[in-house]
Amino acid sequence: NAGVTQTPKFQVLKTGQSMTLQCAQDMNHNSMYWYRQDPGMGLRLIYYSASEGTTDKGEVPNGYNVSRLNKREFSLRLESAAPSQTSVYFCASNLAGAVNTGELFFGEGSRLTVL
Amino acid sequence: KQEVTQIPAALSVPEGENLVLNCSFTDSAIYNLQWFRQDPGKGLTSLLLIQSSQREQTSGRLNASLDKSSGRSTLYIAASQPGDSATYLCAVYGNAGKSTFGDGTTLTVKP
Repeated sequence: NAGVTQTPKFQVLKTGQSMTLQCAQDMNHNSMYWYRQDPGMGLRLIYYSASEGTTDKGEVPNGYNVSRLNKREFSLRLESAAPSQTSVYFCASNLAGAVNTGELFFGEGSRLTVL
Repeated sequence: KQEVTQIPAALSVPEGENLVLNCSFTDSAIYNLQWFRQDPGKGLTSLLLIQSSQREQTSGRLNASLDKSSGRSTLYIAASQPGDSATYLCAVYGNAGKSTFGDGTTLTVKP
């Protein structure tokens, strides 16, 4: 009963390096989301995918790109990492379609440090 | 822009006490509200989801209420236990995947 799985759990990057965070869900959910969590800022939505083949910007999309590879997988890419992107990143999914009405399930998080 | 506030930021109670956590939001046009629990270094675990047409939901010792017109939700925890110690977050959901989270209330239940 895996739920939402994120990899890697920890990553240290140097400024300017690139990396991709992977997320997979096994609950047959339509919608998937990427959030970042920072002290004093709460959880903020970066990008979301309401259904396979669609992606939309959230509150803080600058510096990130996403790919909805298939119904199960949603990846987040940092093309040129900056220290301001040091954060904990969470992937989430739910059954809802274009409107968010379903219970949201989260992964364990990926802790990224950019030096 | 939707804003979600959780007061207090931290709360410490003795074991066995009943307690209420508060969540307020500025825009009442929401689809649903969800309460989560987050343990240190972990992800968010869903506790209760309240649809906009509902007024409350219950799960075990937890009861969540929603008053859309006043922009408020409460999470009631009965007979608190040390294992309830965690940060509790509320989130409201609007159009097309737009979510807004509060900063959370960190609860400590002392044995």
